[in-house]
Amino acid sequence: AQSVAQPEDQVNVAEGNPLTVKCTYSVSGNPYLFWYVQYPNRGLQFLLKYITGDNLVKGSYGFEAEFNKSQTSFHLKKPSALVSDSALYFCAVRDKEGKAAGNKLTFGGGTRVLVKP
Amino acid sequence: EAGVTQFPSHSVIEKGQTVTLRCDPISGHDNLYWYRRVMGKEIKFLLHFVKESKQDESGMPNNRFLAERTGGTYSTLKVQPAELEDSGVYFCASSPGLAGADTQYFGPGTRLTVL
Repeated sequence: AQSVAQPEDQVNVAEGNPLTVKCTYSVSGNPYLFWYVQYPNRGLQFLLKYITGDNLVKGSYGFEAEFNKSQTSFHLKKPSALVSDSALYFCAVRDKEGKAAGNKLTFGGGTRVLVKP
Repeated sequence: EAGVTQFPSHSVIEKGQTVTLRCDPISGHDNLYWYRRVMGKEIKFLLHFVKESKQDESGMPNNRFLAERTGGTYSTLKVQPAELEDSGVYFCASSPGLAGADTQYFGPGTRLTVL
């Protein structure tokens, strides 16, 4: 079975400061990892994904995430947060070799980010 | 290129009534997924279509939920009869192929409220 944990329900950060949203995962094999963002009254928007190769993945809107296999983590980061980054962030995983898991994504519970001016 | 669209955006119904949600995937995407987020919890998988065939329906909660994808284009998700615990946001997503690395692109969701 595959699972994702986002340990923080909410992250508060001042504009201009670094932003980190934590994610840890569990899969039986190797993972595909994804970050999505949901802005108020909007759908889920894809930010970035890790497939293979370089552990540091760069995505949309200046976000990046670092895959750490030993710690089974995929934390989302942004060097300098903007007020407009305030949103709900979801981490998701799919097991590469888990044929029984199919193509479905397993999501974490979401982390609300509030960037204050 | 148009994204995934869902209709309606909101639906408020009474317990015992029937509701049908619609999803139009990105043109050319063979894979269509339904997910839902109930009571602010995790987004959970419901089912997966490849063209018009159900590839995986392991997440469907019970037989009150019926999903169809006629002709491999748009999909509908019917809840009949609706119960209070069905309230939540129903998301549809689509992807072009079956590769696990393929990005699933999500629609805006349908917020269902059952009173």
